[in-house]
Amino acid sequence: EVQLLESGGGLVPPGGSLRLSCAASGFTFTSFAMNWVRQAPGKGLEWVATISGSGRRTFIADSVKGRFTISRDKSKNTLYLQMNSLTAADSAIYYCAKPGPYSGSDLGYFDYWGQGTLVTVSS
Amino acid sequence: EIVLTQSPGTLSLSPGETATLSCKASQSVDNIYLAWYHQKPGQAPRVLIYGASNRAAGIPDRFSGSGSGTDFTLTISRLEPEDFAVYYCQHYGTSLTFGGGTKVDIK
Repeated sequence: EVQLLESGGGLVPPGGSLRLSCAASGFTFTSFAMNWVRQAPGKGLEWVATISGSGRRTFIADSVKGRFTISRDKSKNTLYLQMNSLTAADSAIYYCAKPGPYSGSDLGYFDYWGQGTLVTVSS
Repeated sequence: EIVLTQSPGTLSLSPGETATLSCKASQSVDNIYLAWYHQKPGQAPRVLIYGASNRAAGIPDRFSGSGSGTDFTLTISRLEPEDFAVYYCQHYGTSLTFGGGTKVDIK
């Protein structure tokens, strides 16, 4: 059974940093790109970042480029999102998501999602 | 970047009725890389349709997707109580974007 378990969210002041983790199990981690998607309170879904299965290619949304970094550790089957220079606009639930098997590229649709971790940026 | 515009913003229907949701892309979607999700309060989204018209695993056949180019439709026949939720379309393949969502609520 595929499981994605996010952690690392919390309250952080503007300008601060946070690192989110997503522990993956139930599938061959290195065979799939992995993703972060966020959702501000009461708002829609926003793609944040994608990393290829090998970890060699990353794709970052313009809204967070230069501030957020996506990475993965194949020895721990864990996905990360390093978030720096946080602002109130970054407050959201952050989901990690696995692409579906018929995605056709690293930038795929998502067939499994974690339960999300809440990030609140406030003083 | 492809911008996806969903309409209507809210759809008020009764159980048993048919819902028709629209997703329009700002430019043609290559290879019909278009997915649909629904999301219930407090839950993560769940994929319903990928490749514009392919039902994801475990999705009942009252959900159907159609369209190509810039115009896509999700049709939900015989609405069940658990279908009242927010629905999102998503472009994937060359970039990743979501539409703004359509809320289907009980009339």
